[in-house]
Formats: sequence, C-alpha cells, structure tokens
Amino acid sequence: GAGVSQSPSNKVTEKGKDVELRCDPISGHTALYWYRQSLGQGLEFLIYFQGNSAPDKSGLPSDRFSAERTGGSVSTLTIQRTQQEDSAVYLCASSLTLGTDTQYFGPGTRLTVL
Amino acid sequence: EDKVVQSPLSLVVHEGDTVTLNCSYEVTNFRSLLWYKQEKKAPTFLFMLTSSGIEKKSGRLSSILDKKELFSILNITATQTGDSAIYLCAVRNTGGFKTIFGAGTRLFVKA
Repeated sequence: GAGVSQSPSNKVTEKGKDVELRCDPISGHTALYWYRQSLGQGLEFLIYFQGNSAPDKSGLPSDRFSAERTGGSVSTLTIQRTQQEDSAVYLCASSLTLGTDTQYFGPGTRLTVL
Repeated sequence: EDKVVQSPLSLVVHEGDTVTLNCSYEVTNFRSLLWYKQEKKAPTFLFMLTSSGIEKKSGRLSSILDKKELFSILNITATQTGDSAIYLCAVRNTGGFKTIFGAGTRLFVKA
C-alpha cells in the first residue's frame, strides 16, 4: 500500500480482556517497529522486526505483551489481560531495511482500557 | 542509560515568529538523530542528521547537529498556524536498532 496502515484505529476494552493490534507496513519494507505513546509522553520503543524475526524483545513492558510478524509483512501486537495502564496510542512504523534510519509511521491505534 | 531530552516542553508563539526547539541526547554509539512532526497521530519525518555542523534545510525549517556537545536544534522561521504540532527528536545507535524518542515539544502558533 501507499503507507503504513493500522487497525483498528480505536479500541475500547475492559480490563482483563486480550486485544490484538494490527500493522500493515509499506510494501517492500523489511523492518517494522512498534511504539507506545502514552498521553503527553514521547514514543516508547517496544520491539522491532527484521523480516519475521524479532531479535530484541527487551522493550516489551511485560510478559503480557507479545508480537509476531508473518510473511515478512503484517505484524500483530497482542496484549493479554489488559490493564488500565496499557491505555495509550500504539504506533507502528516501517523502514526499507533495518539499516535505514527514516521510519514511516502508521496512524496508530488508540487503546482505552476501562 | 540512553536518553533524549527536549526543551521547551511547550511553546506558544504568534504567526511570523521564529522558534528554536532543542534536543540533547546521551547515547552510546551514536548513529543518527531524527526530527519528526506529529500533528495528529502519525509522526512525519522532517530531517535526519548524522554529521556535525551541516545544516539541513527544508523551506522554513532547518536543523543542525553538534556531536561534540550532544545536541541538535530545529529552527522554524516565519511560523504559520499549520506549524502547530508536537515536534519529536529521536536518536538511533549503531548495533542495536532501537530508536529513542524525546518527550517532544508542543508548539502552538496563534493567528
């Protein structure tokens, strides 16, 4: 596609439920990144993928968070047993390669945990 | 610990004013510094800086990096209401591929 797309754009869930957030990177981009932006805060790095591989998962806030990428394209960020502090905008970005510094961001998913 | 600090956190100016946004950083094995503009949700790329003293310019926006003093500035001249946004500074290091963002400067330009 022309740009990075994410779905859903907004998600409201109840505490304790699981949620899945989806990211479609720019076609041909091998590197994909997930960030979280809480209200009034900068972007917090969560995880990156090179192809389908995520070499460094240390940025994930807890073991309730997981991410996968299949076919070198679409990625899913899953949050299990959501907590209110998980409420944030989750942004996905992609770049041509991992060595390319310019990242193109999607519109984000606003997650609200009640 | 790697970190990026931006100042000021927020700024209100009138159309036509010139603003300077600051970004200081501490990172091991610096690779690049990037500026993004965030109007709604998706940050959009402005500049990438890797070398000291070389100004990058795009229209009314310009940026420069000082790798000795570990900071960068983003200048916006003749500001317009459309410049109102959050400006994010980010730093990338070699080796690992994390990108560390500052908290941003929220700029509001009054008509």
